[in-house]
Amino acid sequence: DQQVKQNSPSLSVQEGRISILNCDYTNSMFDYFLWYKKYPAEGPTFLISISSIKDKNEDGRFTVFLNKSAKHLSLHIVPSQPGDSAVYFCAASQGNLIFGKGTKLSVKP
Amino acid sequence: DTEVTQTPKHLVMGMTNKKSLKCEQHMGHRAMYWYKQKAKKPPELMFVYSYEKLSINESVPSRFSPECPNSSLLNLHLHALQPEDSALYLCASSQAGGRQSNEKLFFGSGTQLSVL
Repeated sequence: DQQVKQNSPSLSVQEGRISILNCDYTNSMFDYFLWYKKYPAEGPTFLISISSIKDKNEDGRFTVFLNKSAKHLSLHIVPSQPGDSAVYFCAASQGNLIFGKGTKLSVKP
Repeated sequence: DTEVTQTPKHLVMGMTNKKSLKCEQHMGHRAMYWYKQKAKKPPELMFVYSYEKLSINESVPSRFSPECPNSSLLNLHLHALQPEDSALYLCASSQAGGRQSNEKLFFGSGTQLSVL
């Protein structure tokens, strides 16, 4: 049973618009959440994270929102750029990282 | 140097072969990891080394044998693999001992393994 779920395998967005990637989790003991970005033929790279005691963390064009009561987090990218096209993995941790299946984002010029 | 380097990038092996995957980092990180990722699936943790000692083995079959010769190197020895073991094998490292929730993992590019 998946503890971290990314229900959208793919997302297509126009350049300059907002990209919203969603993630749900089932384990209320997770205390840290991270987003990783993966380009083809490369390993995942850390993008942004949030502690379970916060509901928002912002870093430049990237913002992660956490709704603990709904066990849901989302990654917002504004404005989206073609270079953002990649697979985005949501991950949750209580010591070990559990990854979601990933969402492939395509940003069209 | 903020890289985790994995070799080889691609490996094809038969079911009777013995091969090794190598991983190296020079960031002074104290924890190193092996993950396995199959197509359209999330990375799955296999092993964690913390301060050069094996701290986690996620019930991985014995045909996979990890080794940590020193704090910068991590190997994965492969023997008598099955075709279903074909996957992308990712190495990662983190600064602390590997048990803190907020540790950021730095991943290598992976070794794409095909078992014939």
